[in-house]
Amino acid sequence: GQQLNQSPQSMFIQEGEDVSMNCTSSSIFNTWLWYKQDPGEGPVLLIALYKAGELTSNGRLTAQFGITRKDSFLNISASIPSDVGIYFCAGLRGGATNKLIFGTGTLLAVQP
Amino acid sequence: GAVVSQHPSWVICKSGTSVKIECRSLDFQATTMFWYRQFPKQSLMLMATSNEGSKATYEQGVEKDKFLINHASLTLSTLTVTSAHPEDSSFYICSAIPGHIGDEQYFGPGTRLTVT
Repeated sequence: GQQLNQSPQSMFIQEGEDVSMNCTSSSIFNTWLWYKQDPGEGPVLLIALYKAGELTSNGRLTAQFGITRKDSFLNISASIPSDVGIYFCAGLRGGATNKLIFGTGTLLAVQP
Repeated sequence: GAVVSQHPSWVICKSGTSVKIECRSLDFQATTMFWYRQFPKQSLMLMATSNEGSKATYEQGVEKDKFLINHASLTLSTLTVTSAHPEDSSFYICSAIPGHIGDEQYFGPGTRLTVT
């Protein structure tokens, strides 16, 4: 099935550093979503973006919906150890279906 | 609110047997539920869309006779892996939508299936 390209694949950073990851697609999406998944659990929604160009924050997280509607990025500022996990972007085309297409994931490790 | 549960959280079964996984929306009614499969260190791949009272819609490459989906009520969908084989070992995750197309999907905690 289709997947979105996410980069980087993994990041190993020190506590307090800022993090940036992005997601690209060859096709357009009407909604971009960012999820975090902890080991052995389901993904949890962090931020949802509904309009091209939209910039949305949720605490230390900021995400943007690309103007072309084919990309999105997520920034995490001042990382803390509990930010560790796998971050997935997901795109939703809309219409008569609610099918999510997930990105390949970014593994984040934060060293205290 | 909007809690989705899965049962069991993990299961080990022998090759050739069938195993059923339940997905429940605990505090809302879900007309649509989704089933995903996630292999180690990989992303979530949609297997099928489950609509209450109708047949599930399977994604390309997913065998509908092997992965039986039943959405018998507005709060319960089940996935049965029939004649399981070791290559079916995976993390199975469901999600549910409270009502309308465009609503947020709420994900369950996942079920780890190991086939020996």
